[in-house]
Amino acid sequence: GAVVSQHPSRVICKSGTSVKIECRSLDFQATTMFWYRQFPKQSLMLMATSNEGSKATYEQGVEKDKFLINHASLTLSTLTVTSAHPEDSSFYICSASKASGSRYEQYFGPGTRLTVT
Amino acid sequence: EDQVTQSPEALRLQEGESSSLNCSYTVSGLRGLFWYRQDPGKGPEFLFTLYSAGEEKEKERLKATLTKKESFLHITAPKPEDSATYLCAVQARGSNYKLTFGKGTLLTVNP
Repeated sequence: GAVVSQHPSRVICKSGTSVKIECRSLDFQATTMFWYRQFPKQSLMLMATSNEGSKATYEQGVEKDKFLINHASLTLSTLTVTSAHPEDSSFYICSASKASGSRYEQYFGPGTRLTVT
Repeated sequence: EDQVTQSPEALRLQEGESSSLNCSYTVSGLRGLFWYRQDPGKGPEFLFTLYSAGEEKEKERLKATLTKKESFLHITAPKPEDSATYLCAVQARGSNYKLTFGKGTLLTVNP
């Protein structure tokens, strides 16, 4: 299998606070993990790509100081939304590609619904 | 810039009524084309990867095909549980495995 989990599934926070979202590959090692954002009825927009042990690569227009990504091990990546504001409310989804076998396929987590009040 | 266009945006079918979803793409050197299924409030579920024109893959009632410009997802005798949004994505060579997604086709299958 290729199971990816995310925690929490839903989070509500106050404006100005920070929120951390975890993404874990449960039954495989992931060399690369990706973070996406999805607005209602829109497709997935890639925010950043992270490789284990190195700095994340952010897509154009994504503030790296606001969306902190850490890929500390081959099974865990975290996204921290710092000083969150209502416009950061969205559905955040991570994905992971395997370290062996087909590296091209990405397996997605169930997503995290963030609401900033 | 890589682009993916999916059509139609929404499709309503009766149970058992076969149809196809389209994914047109432009990419600077295709490594792979991916189909995913996404249910409301969930992350995408991997369906297929196609790597070269002429390739076909099947899974239950779904069959994906690929040409140099587009991919089709054929749904044969759909059931209500096939209702979901179907996403198409492309991956370019040398892209660090980045996926570029289309906006998806929302499929509704009525009993």
